[in-house]
Amino acid sequence: SQKIEQNSEALNIQEGKTATLTCNYTNYSPAYLQWYRQDPGRGPVFLLLIRENEKEKRKERLKVTFDTTLKQSLFHITASQPADSATYLCALGGMDSSYKLIFGSGTRLLVRP
Amino acid sequence: DTGVSQDPRHKITKRGQNVTFRCDPISEHNRLYWYRQTLGQGPEFLTYFQNEAQLEKSRLLSDRFSAERPKGSFSTLEIQRTEQGDSAMYLCASSLAGRNTGELFFGEGSRLTVL
Repeated sequence: SQKIEQNSEALNIQEGKTATLTCNYTNYSPAYLQWYRQDPGRGPVFLLLIRENEKEKRKERLKVTFDTTLKQSLFHITASQPADSATYLCALGGMDSSYKLIFGSGTRLLVRP
Repeated sequence: DTGVSQDPRHKITKRGQNVTFRCDPISEHNRLYWYRQTLGQGPEFLTYFQNEAQLEKSRLLSDRFSAERPKGSFSTLEIQRTEQGDSAMYLCASSLAGRNTGELFFGEGSRLTVL
């Protein structure tokens, strides 16, 4: 069955450093991959989308890479700030037009001041 | 654009009772999705609508669950004869079919606790 793996342990980093989060998947060939941010008790908020034919996408301090051979996406936050502390969810979408997403369990990021 | 709104935000009920959640999507969005999220897990797809048509239902959606979107605007998710395993956050999201970004706009969720 389809499986998405994100680090279950929290990532704890110092302010100003680059945070790198990993999303690995198996038994799936997504047409695109999305990253969402979720704060405690809130709904997820869309950050970035990258398609299967794209290697890298950037938005301000965020960068996403997508390697369909390794079946992996990396999500980077440069110059991290305490306000970046949240859970980050990886989500995969298929070829159909439903835009139904399969989510990973998320990685919690803690940025220390 | 007031975003996706969900009501109630919190619901505590006793096992066996029925509960109903409401979702009001972003007004111009024709797609509406329901997801369920338990603690420490990512959202799991339950069902989605395009306008008033329910196009897909997950096998997670047992016969105790029913969702409607009668006029293609707001949607309701009803759970009958609730069980303790139904305790979760129920998230609603909307999108505009045809947009090439595929991003979902989520509401703040309705948290259900079944005692």
